[in-house]
Amino acid sequence: NAGVTQTPKFRVLKTGQSMTLLCAQDMNHEYMYWYRQDPGMGLRLIHYSVGEGTTAKGEVPDGYNVSRLKKQNFLLGLESAAPSQTSVYFCASSYSVGGADTQYFGPGTRLTVL
Amino acid sequence: ILNVEQSPQSLHVQEGDSTNFTCSFPSSNFYALHWYRWETAKSPEALFVMTLNGDEKKKGRISATLNTKEGYSYLYIKGSQPEDSATYLCARDNYGQNFVFGPGTRLSVLP
Repeated sequence: NAGVTQTPKFRVLKTGQSMTLLCAQDMNHEYMYWYRQDPGMGLRLIHYSVGEGTTAKGEVPDGYNVSRLKKQNFLLGLESAAPSQTSVYFCASSYSVGGADTQYFGPGTRLTVL
Repeated sequence: ILNVEQSPQSLHVQEGDSTNFTCSFPSSNFYALHWYRWETAKSPEALFVMTLNGDEKKKGRISATLNTKEGYSYLYIKGSQPEDSATYLCARDNYGQNFVFGPGTRLSVLP
């Protein structure tokens, strides 16, 4: 199993450009999450999904959109990138709601917006 | 948002020293607490999931305790080694909807 994978690993954007980050998991997990990690702030939840076709806002959703068309994939979109979105983005997945299930993380995507 | 706090923010210890850090969280409606180990340039890896007051978990030289009534958890590392250098994250599990992560404690173990 590859676990949780993220594409791309690195990206540099100019202000106003758009891009999509792809997260894929092969563990048949129901829940998927997008976090951003900034110095001194830990991991903050952007959006999450409790199943195929569903999404919900997390703590810091503004400026991002997500889609979960297939159970194994969770896409994070930036429609018009801003320098404040420079961050490291982590995707995670977990098996189910309840049961204190562990979240498994991808390797991260480092995004720089100039 | 239910704030999760961790202390200290960072610490340096000598190889062989034992150390511990704290995770504090709101105790109301507690469900579970997760500890993760996060090495630089890698992704966070799960250490423990703790659910019951008084829980104690152990993995090798690392152990954790949980007090859900007062809202804290301690992570202990016995005989620290350079390979223990990492950021240790705790996360409050809000019944599977999402986790609220603390800012982490960055540990550096000096040889």
